[in-house]
Amino acid sequence: QQQVKQSPQSLIVQKGGISIINCAYENTAFDYFPWYQQFPGKGPALLIAIRPDVSEKKEGRFTISFNKSAKQFSLHIMDSQPGDSATYFCAAFPDSSYKLIFGSGTRLLVRP
Amino acid sequence: ETGVTQSPTHLIKTRGQQVTLRCSSQSGHNTVSWYQQALGQGPQFIFQYYREEENGRGNFPPRFSGLQFPNYSSELNVNALELDDSALYLCASSLVGEETQYFGPGTRLLVL
Repeated sequence: QQQVKQSPQSLIVQKGGISIINCAYENTAFDYFPWYQQFPGKGPALLIAIRPDVSEKKEGRFTISFNKSAKQFSLHIMDSQPGDSATYFCAAFPDSSYKLIFGSGTRLLVRP
Repeated sequence: ETGVTQSPTHLIKTRGQQVTLRCSSQSGHNTVSWYQQALGQGPQFIFQYYREEENGRGNFPPRFSGLQFPNYSSELNVNALELDDSALYLCASSLVGEETQYFGPGTRLLVL
């Protein structure tokens, strides 16, 4: 069974702080790793994505760090804002597949 | 450009009934995937449709079925509803062969 394990389950950060969410995967056949942001009552929205041939990708305040040998990747949210409070999901897309495999989610709360 | 839309937004059914959920894909996208998201969990892949045929299926029983129409819109049908079918049902559209999937707002189904 292909799995993506996500931690922590919940995270509280002060405004201006750094939020870090971690994911680990088991199957080396994954070749695309997106992060999704989901607000209550809404569908997941693509935030940022990375491929395993890149160790880091940055878009604004959001950075993905990727460690291929450890089969781990993480999302860093710099200068976290109350508007970032949402549930974040990491996911993986197996090579030659058709489906996203999601982690269990991290509920982020950024306090003012 | 029109995003992914889903209808209805909410639905209440009783155990044993049948339900049909609808999805319109993002403009230009020819592939539709359906996911089930239980409360507090990550989305789980149900199936994908391309060229009006099922292109892949997750670990869901046959009472979950779907259709895709020539305009790429799609339906998810669930027969003999069970209490555990209560979830947010998400539709995602993409271009065939591309990993990036764009999600709709979902349909919240409650089975009593």
